[in-house]
Amino acid sequence: AQSVTQLDSHVSVSEGTPVLLRCNYSSSYSPSLFWYVQHPNKGLQLLLKYTSAATLVKGINGFEAEFKKSETSFHLTKPSAHMSDAAEYFCVVRGNAGKSTFGDGTTLTVKP
Amino acid sequence: KAGVTQTPRYLIKTRGQQVTLSCSPISGHRSVSWYQQTPGQGLQFLFEYFSETQRNKGNFPGRFSGRQFSNSRSEMNVSTLELGDSALYLCASSLDVTSVSSYNEQFFGPGTRLTVL
Repeated sequence: AQSVTQLDSHVSVSEGTPVLLRCNYSSSYSPSLFWYVQHPNKGLQLLLKYTSAATLVKGINGFEAEFKKSETSFHLTKPSAHMSDAAEYFCVVRGNAGKSTFGDGTTLTVKP
Repeated sequence: KAGVTQTPRYLIKTRGQQVTLSCSPISGHRSVSWYQQTPGQGLQFLFEYFSETQRNKGNFPGRFSGRQFSNSRSEMNVSTLELGDSALYLCASSLDVTSVSSYNEQFFGPGTRLTVL
């Protein structure tokens, strides 16, 4: 069985300040982990993925995430938030059978 | 390369009717998955098709069904619509060529917004 917990349903930051979106996972084997972003009325766009290679993963638009097996975490970070980053973010765990489990999402608000 | 396309983008139906949604994956992708997204339940997995066979299935009633054609295009059907079926239905495709299917990221379409009145 696998599960994902996004620890914050809403995060609010000021433009130019760091972003931290937290994700913990549970899996009985080594999973693949992904972060997706969804802008209003749009589909999901892949930000980055972890598939058992480097534990620090760099994605698009300046985002990165670090896989920490001991903490079962895969937190998403960005050094400096931009207004265009305002969206909903989903952490996803994908198991060997190819089934994806999504977190409940974190809404990021960026204040000017 | 064209992305995942879904048709129609918007649908309005009444209770009791049935509906068919279509998804065309990225060229070369053989796996197609369907998800339901609602404000209350979030993103929930419906089913996945690979090479015309259903490979995974979520916890939805039998009113929800799907199929995949030889060109990897997929359709999902919802019969006897209920008010609670109002949602954004997302389709995702993946290349799925590695032996470890979890490695393959999914690419999502824009979704079909279904409203049941």
